[in-house]
Amino acid sequence: DGGITQSPKYLFRKEGQNVTLSCEQNLNHDAMYWYRQDPGQGLRLIYYSQIVNDFQKGDIAEGYSVSREKKESFPLTVTSAQKNPTAFYLCASSMSGSGGYEQYFGPGTRLTVT
Amino acid sequence: GENVEQHPSTLSVQEGDSAVIKCTYSDSASNYFPWYKQELGKRPQLIIDIRSNVGEKKDQRIAVTLNKTAKHFSLHITETQPEDSAVYFCAASSGDSNYQLIWGAGTKLIIKP
Repeated sequence: DGGITQSPKYLFRKEGQNVTLSCEQNLNHDAMYWYRQDPGQGLRLIYYSQIVNDFQKGDIAEGYSVSREKKESFPLTVTSAQKNPTAFYLCASSMSGSGGYEQYFGPGTRLTVT
Repeated sequence: GENVEQHPSTLSVQEGDSAVIKCTYSDSASNYFPWYKQELGKRPQLIIDIRSNVGEKKDQRIAVTLNKTAKHFSLHITETQPEDSAVYFCAASSGDSNYQLIWGAGTKLIIKP
């Protein structure tokens, strides 16, 4: 069963704690992405990666960190430096190279920080 | 910088009528234009896409048109049904790195019974 998975579905943390969100794909995609979505809002790019051991900051990278040690995995850490971490986090993957490609999304993780 | 503008932000139509959502992009190097549907609390899913060498594409009740000269593209949904109620996002491939997408802000489509 090919696809992209995220865990957990819901996550609750206290303010001041770091938390890591998991994202795994078995689509053999080179590119992976993390987006943040606030209620009633659009998709904002946090980080993206085109290849293992390389990643780039998106539009709202402050307070977040990522790693890409394996092609299949792209975990996101929400650090205590992120001022408003409560949001819906979506991971996506796609082929890369010229031409533009569909992004496949995971089911998302809803993070609540109190 | 690159951006995609999407209008309207909310669209309410009577069931059975047609709905049209429009997007304008800034980067003339964009060559891939997908449309995604996101139901409440769910992930965005691709419903139709078009490449720059094509002017129109249809899939049953859904169609997308592209005007490269004017740099705009539109989603057309005919014979709307209650299950079409959702948020729709347009996107355009980035001219800087083709695998990235630049996203519109979304349109909330409401189908009135």
